[in-house]
Amino acid sequence: SQQGEEDPQALSIQEGENATMNCSYKTSINNLQWYRQNSGRGLVHLILIRSNEREKHSGRLRVTLDTSKKSSSLLITASRAADTASYFCAPWNRDDKIIFGKGTRLHILP
Amino acid sequence: KAGVTQTPRYLIKTRGQQVTLSCSPISGHRSVSWYQQTPGQGLQFLFEYFSETQRNKGNFPGRFSGRQFSNSRSEMNVSTLELGDSALYLCASSRDRSTDEQYFGPGTRLTVT
Repeated sequence: SQQGEEDPQALSIQEGENATMNCSYKTSINNLQWYRQNSGRGLVHLILIRSNEREKHSGRLRVTLDTSKKSSSLLITASRAADTASYFCAPWNRDDKIIFGKGTRLHILP
Repeated sequence: KAGVTQTPRYLIKTRGQQVTLSCSPISGHRSVSWYQQTPGQGLQFLFEYFSETQRNKGNFPGRFSGRQFSNSRSEMNVSTLELGDSALYLCASSRDRSTDEQYFGPGTRLTVT
């Protein structure tokens, strides 16, 4: 089974700064997705990057994928209080069931 | 279009009872996955249904079961509830899990007393 492992476990930054989270996985993937979860709520899909893509942007989000290193990073620029949440990566492979990692808890300080 | 809906949103049950949770996927989505989320174990995969067939299953005891109907709506059932089953149960739908993003419902918060 395929598990994404996020790093760091927790991150606190000042509002306006950039936040970077990393994800590592073990086997080959079809795509990798990032999700956000606000406290006690459902996950919200942020961005999907396919295995043949190296970088993708969506608003203030930038995701990179390095399949040779089996790693991905999520960059949130100009952070806002509303970005305070847990962030999960989900590496997808057609034949695997997905196991989410513990996520990165991001806290934006005012 | 309407998002994934889950009912009920909150539920309190007693140890030993059983519970059924419901999930209605986004229209056109045929895959429904269920997850259990607890503070200690994080987000754990329960099972996935695609076109009424269980396609994948996580490492949970047989007390946890599910099914999917022809309209893609899904239910999960937990029998003989234990205190440790207290959790947020999330369902997610997608067109086809391997290529499309998953859309999560708001979850059902189950408390077992």
